[in-house]
Amino acid sequence: ELKVEQNPLFLSMQEGKNYTIYCNYSTTSDRLYWYRQDPGKSLESLFVLLSNGAVKQEGRLMASLDTKARLSTLHITAAVHDLSATYFCAVDMLPGNTGKLIFGQGTTLQVKP
Amino acid sequence: ETGVTQTPRHLVMGMTNKKSLKCEQHLGHNAMYWYKQSAKKPLELMFVYNFKEQTENNSVPSRFSPECPNSSHLFLHLHTLQPEDSALYLCASSQGDFPTVTDTQYFGPGTRLTVL
Repeated sequence: ELKVEQNPLFLSMQEGKNYTIYCNYSTTSDRLYWYRQDPGKSLESLFVLLSNGAVKQEGRLMASLDTKARLSTLHITAAVHDLSATYFCAVDMLPGNTGKLIFGQGTTLQVKP
Repeated sequence: ETGVTQTPRHLVMGMTNKKSLKCEQHLGHNAMYWYKQSAKKPLELMFVYNFKEQTENNSVPSRFSPECPNSSHLFLHLHTLQPEDSALYLCASSQGDFPTVTDTQYFGPGTRLTVL
């Protein structure tokens, strides 16, 4: 059974600091997704990582994928309050692109002034 | 706005009621999904439809009945629900070529369901 685990589950940080959210998954998968969810809102796609060593950056967020270690990271650089949200990683349940995603528990990020 | 709409946004129902949730996507996608998001639990995939064919039923109880009349519309029919079914129900869509799905899923705003 595919499991996806994120840590930490809750992160409180000061503005301007750097931090990393980790996403481990238990079996091989062809792609990994990162999503953001604001309170009371739906999920917003951030990144799709398609291959080993893939790195994508958007603003203060950078995501990377190590398929051999079955690990993805979401790095936050110089956090600002607007980044406060819950971040989810997700992997495809089966080999190939099935669209059957398994989500991690989510990491709630709170950025304090 | 992601191009995926859901109605109603909030629903309160008794355990003996029958109701339906509606999802519509305006993105020209071929695949649609239902997810359940409960408090303190990971997002759970319920159903997947690809080109109107159901390709996944993730062991969902029969009191939840999906319907996909075309690639743009998806329904979730609810009957004799239990209080533990209270959750946020999210619809998503993505592009794909049968039988694979090759693109990011775009989520609707969700329906907050409360079962009394």
